[in-house]
Amino acid sequence: AQRVTQPEKLLSVFKGAPVELKCNYSYSGSPELFWYVQYSRQRLQLLLRHISRESIKGFTADLNKGETSFHLKKPFAQEEDSAMYYCAQNRDDKIIFGKGTRLHILP
Amino acid sequence: SQTIHQWPATLVQPVGSPLSLECTVEGTSNPNLYWYRQAAGRGLQLLFYSIGIDQISSEVPQNLSASRPQDRQFILSSKKLLLSDSGFYLCAWTPGLAGGTDTQYFGPGTRLTVL
Repeated sequence: AQRVTQPEKLLSVFKGAPVELKCNYSYSGSPELFWYVQYSRQRLQLLLRHISRESIKGFTADLNKGETSFHLKKPFAQEEDSAMYYCAQNRDDKIIFGKGTRLHILP
Repeated sequence: SQTIHQWPATLVQPVGSPLSLECTVEGTSNPNLYWYRQAAGRGLQLLFYSIGIDQISSEVPQNLSASRPQDRQFILSSKKLLLSDSGFYLCAWTPGLAGGTDTQYFGPGTRLTVL
Protein backbone atom coordinates (compact mmCIF):
# COMPACT_ATOMS: atom_id res chain seq x y z
CA ALA A 1 0.00 0.00 0.00
CA GLN A 2 1.16 3.51 -0.68
CA ARG A 3 2.29 5.33 2.42
CA VAL A 4 3.69 8.68 3.35
CA THR A 5 5.56 8.60 6.62
CA GLN A 6 6.41 11.55 8.77
CA PRO A 7 8.21 9.98 11.72
CA GLU A 8 8.17 13.02 13.98
CA LYS A 9 4.88 14.10 15.48
CA LEU A 10 6.42 17.14 17.15
CA LEU A 11 9.68 18.92 16.43
CA SER A 12 10.97 21.74 18.61
CA VAL A 13 13.79 23.89 17.26
CA PHE A 14 15.40 27.05 18.56
CA LYS A 15 15.03 30.20 16.51
CA GLY A 16 17.96 30.54 14.13
CA ALA A 17 18.74 26.83 14.17
CA PRO A 18 18.39 24.61 11.09
CA VAL A 19 15.14 22.74 10.51
CA GLU A 20 14.61 19.38 8.87
CA LEU A 21 11.17 17.78 8.71
CA LYS A 22 11.40 14.20 7.54
CA CYS A 23 9.17 12.56 4.98
CA ASN A 24 9.46 9.14 3.40
CA TYR A 25 7.20 7.77 0.69
CA SER A 26 6.54 4.26 -0.49
CA TYR A 27 5.83 4.60 -4.21
CA SER A 28 8.70 3.18 -6.25
CA GLY A 29 7.92 4.99 -9.49
CA SER A 30 8.14 8.71 -10.14
CA PRO A 31 5.96 10.31 -7.51
CA GLU A 32 4.73 13.84 -7.35
CA LEU A 33 5.46 15.13 -3.87
CA PHE A 34 4.28 18.15 -1.94
CA TRP A 35 4.65 19.88 1.37
CA TYR A 36 1.59 21.58 2.83
CA VAL A 37 1.58 23.90 5.81
CA GLN A 38 -1.16 24.95 8.18
CA TYR A 39 -0.52 27.92 10.46
CA SER A 40 -2.64 28.26 13.57
CA ARG A 41 -6.28 29.04 12.73
CA GLN A 42 -5.55 29.28 9.02
CA ARG A 43 -6.41 26.97 6.17
CA LEU A 44 -4.13 24.34 4.80
CA GLN A 45 -1.94 25.76 2.02
CA LEU A 46 0.56 24.41 -0.43
CA LEU A 47 4.13 25.21 0.58
CA LEU A 48 6.06 23.66 -2.26
CA ARG A 49 6.09 20.82 -4.77
CA HIS A 50 9.12 18.89 -5.91
CA ILE A 51 8.58 19.35 -9.65
CA SER A 52 8.98 23.11 -9.41
CA ARG A 53 12.16 22.95 -7.29
CA GLU A 54 11.29 26.27 -5.74
CA SER A 55 12.10 27.78 -2.40
CA ILE A 56 9.22 29.21 -0.43
CA LYS A 57 9.73 31.16 2.79
CA GLY A 58 13.28 29.83 2.89
CA PHE A 59 12.16 26.18 2.77
CA THR A 60 13.48 23.69 0.25
CA ALA A 61 12.90 19.99 -0.27
CA ASP A 62 14.89 17.60 -2.43
CA LEU A 63 13.54 14.36 -3.75
CA ASN A 64 15.90 11.48 -3.00
CA LYS A 65 14.70 8.47 -4.95
CA GLY A 66 17.36 6.20 -3.48
CA GLU A 67 16.15 6.85 0.04
CA THR A 68 12.53 7.50 -1.06
CA SER A 69 12.64 10.70 0.95
CA PHE A 70 11.44 14.26 0.51
CA HIS A 71 12.68 16.03 3.62
CA LEU A 72 11.80 19.68 4.16
CA LYS A 73 14.68 21.93 5.18
CA LYS A 74 15.35 25.47 6.22
CA PRO A 75 18.78 26.72 7.29
CA PHE A 76 17.59 29.22 9.92
CA ALA A 77 14.26 28.78 11.69
CA GLN A 78 12.03 31.75 12.37
CA GLU A 79 9.27 32.01 14.95
CA GLU A 80 6.64 32.41 12.24
CA ASP A 81 7.56 28.95 10.95
CA SER A 82 5.68 27.37 13.85
CA ALA A 83 2.88 25.36 12.19
CA MET A 84 1.72 21.91 11.18
CA TYR A 85 3.52 20.52 8.16
CA TYR A 86 2.13 17.73 5.99
CA CYS A 87 4.00 15.79 3.38
CA ALA A 88 1.85 14.44 0.56
CA GLN A 89 2.26 12.17 -2.41
CA ASN A 90 0.21 12.38 -5.59
CA ARG A 91 -0.11 9.39 -7.88
CA ASP A 92 -2.75 9.09 -10.59
CA ASP A 93 -4.42 12.16 -9.10
CA LYS A 94 -4.91 10.45 -5.76
CA ILE A 95 -3.24 12.34 -2.97
CA ILE A 96 -2.04 10.67 0.19
CA PHE A 97 -1.03 12.67 3.22
CA GLY A 98 1.36 11.90 6.00
CA LYS A 99 0.11 12.35 9.54
CA GLY A 100 1.85 15.67 9.90
CA THR A 101 4.63 17.13 12.02
CA ARG A 102 4.05 20.02 14.36
CA LEU A 103 7.01 22.39 14.21
CA HIS A 104 7.49 24.52 17.27
CA ILE A 105 10.09 27.26 17.08
CA LEU A 106 11.48 28.17 20.47
CA PRO A 107 12.52 31.80 21.10
CA SER B 1 -9.32 5.75 18.42
CA GLN B 2 -10.66 8.08 15.81
CA THR B 3 -11.25 7.03 12.23
CA ILE B 4 -12.57 8.79 9.17
CA HIS B 5 -14.39 7.07 6.34
CA GLN B 6 -15.22 8.20 2.87
CA TRP B 7 -17.24 6.50 0.19
CA PRO B 8 -17.29 5.65 -2.52
CA ALA B 9 -13.58 5.28 -3.23
CA THR B 10 -14.04 5.72 -6.97
CA LEU B 11 -16.95 7.12 -8.94
CA VAL B 12 -17.58 7.64 -12.65
CA GLN B 13 -20.60 9.78 -13.44
CA PRO B 14 -22.02 11.33 -16.63
CA VAL B 15 -22.27 15.08 -17.03
CA GLY B 16 -25.53 16.40 -15.64
CA SER B 17 -26.03 13.58 -13.13
CA PRO B 18 -26.31 14.19 -9.37
CA LEU B 19 -23.55 13.54 -6.87
CA SER B 20 -23.40 12.52 -3.26
CA LEU B 21 -20.14 11.80 -1.45
CA GLU B 22 -20.24 10.86 2.17
CA CYS B 23 -17.75 11.30 4.97
CA THR B 24 -18.15 10.05 8.51
CA VAL B 25 -15.92 10.32 11.54
CA GLU B 26 -15.85 7.91 14.46
CA GLY B 27 -14.39 8.19 17.92
CA THR B 28 -14.71 11.93 18.43
CA SER B 29 -17.40 14.50 19.09
CA ASN B 30 -17.98 17.96 17.67
CA PRO B 31 -15.23 17.76 15.06
CA ASN B 32 -14.59 20.46 12.52
CA LEU B 33 -15.11 18.93 9.11
CA TYR B 34 -13.62 19.84 5.74
CA TRP B 35 -14.07 18.99 2.08
CA TYR B 36 -11.05 19.48 -0.18
CA ARG B 37 -10.59 18.87 -3.86
CA GLN B 38 -7.47 18.23 -5.82
CA ALA B 39 -7.85 18.75 -9.54
CA ALA B 40 -5.22 17.33 -11.89
CA GLY B 41 -1.89 19.12 -11.62
CA ARG B 42 -2.98 21.47 -8.84
CA GLY B 43 -2.69 21.66 -5.09
CA LEU B 44 -5.43 21.02 -2.62
CA GLN B 45 -8.36 23.44 -2.62
CA LEU B 46 -10.64 23.90 0.38
CA LEU B 47 -14.27 23.68 -0.72
CA PHE B 48 -16.30 23.67 2.50
CA TYR B 49 -15.76 23.55 6.22
CA SER B 50 -18.17 23.03 9.06
CA ILE B 51 -17.88 23.75 12.77
CA GLY B 52 -21.18 22.10 13.70
CA ILE B 53 -24.45 20.59 12.52
CA ASP B 54 -25.95 22.70 9.74
CA GLN B 55 -23.08 25.20 10.07
CA ILE B 56 -21.23 25.20 6.79
CA SER B 57 -19.01 27.75 5.13
CA SER B 58 -18.27 27.73 1.44
CA GLU B 59 -14.83 28.81 0.34
CA VAL B 60 -15.28 29.06 -3.40
CA PRO B 61 -18.30 29.57 -5.67
CA GLN B 62 -19.00 26.37 -7.50
CA ASN B 63 -21.38 23.72 -8.61
CA LEU B 64 -21.19 21.84 -5.33
CA SER B 65 -22.92 22.03 -1.98
CA ALA B 66 -22.32 20.46 1.41
CA SER B 67 -24.52 19.40 4.27
CA ARG B 68 -23.95 18.18 7.80
CA PRO B 69 -27.09 16.44 8.98
CA GLN B 70 -25.37 14.83 11.96
CA ASP B 71 -22.41 15.75 14.14
CA ARG B 72 -20.02 13.32 12.48
CA GLN B 73 -21.41 13.16 8.97
CA PHE B 74 -20.44 15.48 6.14
CA ILE B 75 -21.94 15.15 2.67
CA LEU B 76 -20.78 16.71 -0.57
CA SER B 77 -23.44 17.02 -3.24
CA SER B 78 -24.24 18.34 -6.66
CA LYS B 79 -27.51 18.47 -8.56
CA LYS B 80 -25.83 18.43 -11.97
CA LEU B 81 -22.20 17.46 -12.41
CA LEU B 82 -19.90 19.34 -14.77
CA LEU B 83 -16.80 18.01 -16.48
CA SER B 84 -14.75 20.39 -14.33
CA ASP B 85 -15.98 18.63 -11.18
CA SER B 86 -13.66 15.73 -11.91
CA GLY B 87 -10.94 15.37 -9.32
CA PHE B 88 -9.92 13.79 -6.07
CA TYR B 89 -12.05 14.74 -3.07
CA LEU B 90 -10.70 14.53 0.43
CA CYS B 91 -12.61 14.82 3.65
CA ALA B 92 -10.75 15.82 6.79
CA TRP B 93 -11.48 16.60 10.40
CA THR B 94 -9.86 18.53 13.20
CA PRO B 95 -10.78 18.51 16.87
CA GLY B 96 -13.41 21.08 17.77
CA LEU B 97 -12.79 24.03 20.05
CA ALA B 98 -12.16 21.79 23.03
CA GLY B 99 -9.54 19.81 21.16
CA GLY B 100 -6.88 22.49 21.27
CA THR B 101 -4.99 21.37 18.19
CA ASP B 102 -5.04 22.10 14.50
CA THR B 103 -3.92 18.66 13.38
CA GLN B 104 -5.85 17.59 10.30
CA TYR B 105 -6.83 13.96 9.87
CA PHE B 106 -7.55 13.04 6.28
CA GLY B 107 -9.89 10.43 4.89
CA PRO B 108 -8.90 8.01 2.11
CA GLY B 109 -10.47 10.17 -0.59
CA THR B 110 -12.84 9.69 -3.52
CA ARG B 111 -11.71 9.84 -7.13
CA LEU B 112 -14.51 11.33 -9.22
CA THR B 113 -14.47 11.19 -13.00
CA VAL B 114 -17.16 13.04 -14.88
CA LEU B 115 -17.58 11.96 -18.50
